Amino acid sequence: EAGVAQSPRYKIIEKRQSVAFWCNPISGHATLYWYQQILGQGPKLLIQFQNNGVVDDSQLPKDRFSAERLKGVDSTLKIQPAKLEDSAVYLCASSDRDKGTIYFGEGSWLTVV
Amino acid sequence: AQSVTQLGSHVSVSEGALVLLRCNYSSSVPPYLFWYVQYPNQGLQLLLKYTSAATLVKGINGFEAEFKKSETSFHLTKPSAHMSDAAEYFCAVSDTSGTYKYIFGTGTRLKVLA
Repeated sequence: EAGVAQSPRYKIIEKRQSVAFWCNPISGHATLYWYQQILGQGPKLLIQFQNNGVVDDSQLPKDRFSAERLKGVDSTLKIQPAKLEDSAVYLCASSDRDKGTIYFGEGSWLTVV
Repeated sequence: AQSVTQLGSHVSVSEGALVLLRCNYSSSVPPYLFWYVQYPNQGLQLLLKYTSAATLVKGINGFEAEFKKSETSFHLTKPSAHMSDAAEYFCAVSDTSGTYKYIFGTGTRLKVLA
């Protein structure tokens, strides 16, 4: 079974530029998550989708972050404009509700300079 | 609201010694509990999970954890540390109400000394 795929793995941008991350979840997983992990901290949930609907985006900085999940499969997370404090790893994860376990991708590492 | 607390951001053990990583949770409903491991430059990998079946849960790589409701704890142990166990370990809690929201602790970095 293929795992959660993310791209790009690494990205360096200047502040005020924009960036987009893509995620393809495990086939058949209805729930998709985007987490932000700042160095030395645990993952923090940014947004949770159930199929193509948003379940929780309470911690998403909506003035600069946006996410969508078209057709309930792939998802894109966008940051515009980026700030220095957005430097982090952006982890995509998916879950099969029946099994209650989330599976993570390798992460997209963002450095804002 | 649910939360997890991991005591000790850094733990060092000698190779062959017992590994004990502490996790305490707070939840108003019976939770699901998880331990994940993160190696450098990688995503999080599931070590084990508790989903209200047996209180002693065995995971991969010789790790196990025991759910203790009276102590609200879910500590991770391994009898004998190996150099390859050096990594960051995260405890996580999820509710069982169907929203499947996962809250992660701040992590414990395990260092194994030769």
